[in-house]
Amino acid sequence: NAGVTQTPKFRVLKTGQSMTLLCAQDMNHEYMYWYRQDPGMGLRLIHYSVGEGTTAKGEVPDGYNVSRLKKQNFLLGLESAAPSQTSVYFCASNLLPTDTQYFGPGTRLTVL
Amino acid sequence: DAKTTQPPSMDCAEGRAANLPCNHSTISGNEYVYWYRQIHSQGPQYIIHGLKNNETNEMASLIITEDRKSSTLILPHAPLRDTAVYYCIVRVVAGTASKLTFGTGTRLQVTL
Repeated sequence: NAGVTQTPKFRVLKTGQSMTLLCAQDMNHEYMYWYRQDPGMGLRLIHYSVGEGTTAKGEVPDGYNVSRLKKQNFLLGLESAAPSQTSVYFCASNLLPTDTQYFGPGTRLTVL
Repeated sequence: DAKTTQPPSMDCAEGRAANLPCNHSTISGNEYVYWYRQIHSQGPQYIIHGLKNNETNEMASLIITEDRKSSTLILPHAPLRDTAVYYCIVRVVAGTASKLTFGTGTRLQVTL
């Protein structure tokens, strides 16, 4: 099992550009999450999904959209990137809401 | 949501036990205490969790006080590779998803 993988690992964008971050898990997990981590801070939840075709807002959802068309994939989109979105993005998943969350390696995004 | 308070940093000599404290004085009766760690900006890694009894696994021990207002993570014989940021988290269940609210954690430095 590869666990939770994230694509890409690094990306640099200009203000106003768009991009999509891909999270994939091969553990048949129902629940998936997107977090962001700014320097010196803990992780903050952006959006999450409780199953294929469903998404919900987390703590800091503004400026992001998500989709869960397939159970194994959870996409995070930035329609018009802003410098404030410079951060490290982590994806996580678990089978049940009470289970341990397994995290991916992260995507380091810089918006100039 | 119950908040947690941790010291910002701690040092520990290699091979000695590291005791990381956490205060969660507003914890509810059905909330668990979770510990994760993050090594060098990698994705967070689950360590251990508990409700009210002490817990032990291959990585660590968790001691929760009888009133559940504080806990201590114990890393026995800490090797250098245990240098990381350790997060104490009280699990919040929102809807059917389990959100993890990360604080700033304790930066543990294991030294020679």
